[in-house]
Amino acid sequence: GEDVEQSLFLSVREGDSSVINCTYTDSSSTYLYWYKQEPGAGLQLLTYIFSNMDMKQDQRLTVLLNKKDKHLSLRIADTQTGDSAIYFCAESPSYNTDKLIFGTGTRLQVFP
Amino acid sequence: EPEVTQTPSHQVTQMGQEVILRCVPISNHLYFYWYRQILGQKVEFLVSFYNNEISEKSEIFDDQFSVERPDGSNFTLKIRSTKLEDSAMYFCASKLNRGGNQPQHFGDGTRLSIL
Repeated sequence: GEDVEQSLFLSVREGDSSVINCTYTDSSSTYLYWYKQEPGAGLQLLTYIFSNMDMKQDQRLTVLLNKKDKHLSLRIADTQTGDSAIYFCAESPSYNTDKLIFGTGTRLQVFP
Repeated sequence: EPEVTQTPSHQVTQMGQEVILRCVPISNHLYFYWYRQILGQKVEFLVSFYNNEISEKSEIFDDQFSVERPDGSNFTLKIRSTKLEDSAMYFCASKLNRGGNQPQHFGDGTRLSIL
């Protein structure tokens, strides 16, 4: 079945890079997304990548997709304390469905 | 930037009571969704809605749940007879069209607490 997994926690020092990893099981995934959730807030779309792409860069964010290994990562350059949040990986499993399958979320804590 | 708005932010209801969660999707969006997140668990898909009918629903979305778009702006989720296990954060989402290159935009959620 469809499953998306992430590590639960990541701590980094301000100014360092953060890399949040995600693995998924569905080989027919079409799009993969990264959402950010700050305390008490909703799910904010950060970026997304089509499954036939390997990489996408958007300012401080770099998404890498290894479709063979079903591995997705989000790199945040020059991490700031304002980046502290929970980051969710999500996949759109196939062209036949519109639902999103979410990972467990990775809590990123940035220390000054 | 346009956003999805949800009301109320927190709803407390007695078990067995009906509850209606409200959402105002982004105005030109055509596809609407509800998800829920039980505390400490993953965000789970409940239902998608397009052209005034349900497109897809999950196993969670049983006969106790219903959705409606009563006018041109609101999109509601009703739970007929709430159970303790319905306590969760409920997220509404909308998107412009069906393609994956149009991502879903989420509201801030309604925290539902069943007593």
